[in-house]
Amino acid sequence: GEDVEQSLFLSVREGDSSVINCTYTDSSSTYLYWYKQEPGAGLQLLTYIFSNMDMKQDQRLTVLLNKKDKHLSLRIADTQTGDSAIYFCAEWASNNDMRFGAGTRLTVKP
Amino acid sequence: DVKVTQSSRYLVKRTGEKVFLECVQDMDHENMFWYRQDPGLGLRLIYFSYDVKMKEKGDIPEGYSVSREKKERFSLILESASTNQTSMYLCASRKGGRDHEQYFGPGTRLTVT
Repeated sequence: GEDVEQSLFLSVREGDSSVINCTYTDSSSTYLYWYKQEPGAGLQLLTYIFSNMDMKQDQRLTVLLNKKDKHLSLRIADTQTGDSAIYFCAEWASNNDMRFGAGTRLTVKP
Repeated sequence: DVKVTQSSRYLVKRTGEKVFLECVQDMDHENMFWYRQDPGLGLRLIYFSYDVKMKEKGDIPEGYSVSREKKERFSLILESASTNQTSMYLCASRKGGRDHEQYFGPGTRLTVT
């Protein structure tokens, strides 16, 4: 299909790990992104991965990329209440267009 | 730091009114974008511009127009607002060329009654 797909909701307990999954569409996408949107705010770039990598780690964040399956995931270790937000997966497609998923709303329970 | 600002955080307009949403970026970026964000649909591209006075339709341009008279400013215009245009509108900018990072404004929540 044409869509970047991700599940709409995820709920975890504080201190647990969160894993947000995404499937993208264009096998020739050069960059894949995770954006975070806090309530009432715009999107903030969290991290991105170049398509020739299969993993990127940045403090509590780990991005895994499976190019064969066109699957991207974001793992947040030791999830905190401040991590509650909507997380968007996005791909930089071959036509230089950025395509976004519908967003996953992460709820962190104390 | 790149800063993208939008003229209003919240806006309420009546059906049939002409609505202007303004976006300004301060980093001399070539590319600017307007998206709308609706629950369960994510971000959908309305229009974008890759240079002054240039514009291209995105995925959902119907009912909208844009204006880019200066490099730093990109305006979204609803000629005759309708209730189905009630949404969150997000502006973004990007330098262009090989620079792929896209920066977003805080959004304008528009309600059309």
